[in-house]
Amino acid sequence: GESVGLHLPTLSVQEGDNSIINCAYSNSASDYFIWYKQESGKGPQFIIDIRSNMDKRQGQRVTVLLNKTVKHLSLQIAATQPGDSAVYFCAETFTGGFKTIFGAGTRLFVKA
Amino acid sequence: GAGVSQSPSNKVTEKGKDVELRCDPISGHTALYWYRQSLGQGLEFLIYFQGNSAPDKSGLPSDRFSAERTGGSVSTLTIQRTQQEDSAVYLCASSLGSADTYGYTFGSGTRLTVV
Repeated sequence: GESVGLHLPTLSVQEGDNSIINCAYSNSASDYFIWYKQESGKGPQFIIDIRSNMDKRQGQRVTVLLNKTVKHLSLQIAATQPGDSAVYFCAETFTGGFKTIFGAGTRLFVKA
Repeated sequence: GAGVSQSPSNKVTEKGKDVELRCDPISGHTALYWYRQSLGQGLEFLIYFQGNSAPDKSGLPSDRFSAERTGGSVSTLTIQRTQQEDSAVYLCASSLGSADTYGYTFGSGTRLTVV
């Protein structure tokens, strides 16, 4: 079925290090991409998004990179903190669309 | 309300029984979505409602699953004759409009366990 996949299901990093979470998407028609963070017992929360007319977008401590040629997304978290420990999902949709397809998720562990 | 509310938060049911899961979206949000999250897995799209349009049911895994949205607000996801493989967290989200413009707000989910 439709899917957005992830290369690394689990990532463990030391507090203060940078984290990189990768994602491959499958639908070439998708032009809007989102990263969500899901903490235990909660629903996913929006972190950052990017449209296909950009290849990089920066937020507070987070950066999303988009490579349309190879249909690849990454989320970079600078100076990772214990509060960043969660499952991270990439997701894709298209302009004006409602349905969003989510990837399998990567669990990030931050070691103090 | 302030957020998307789902009830119950946990539900344990016997195999073969029917269950109903409820979602109260944010007031004024025209779009409502249901996703299923199996243990350690990603979010699987089930169905979405947008305004008065016919719902997109393309993700419902079998005819045991159905959903309705009454009065453009509250939604109920019904699973008939539950099976053990239905055990998962069922997440509801709502949005003001299209996903790219308004984004989703998720509820905390209903954890369904079929024994």
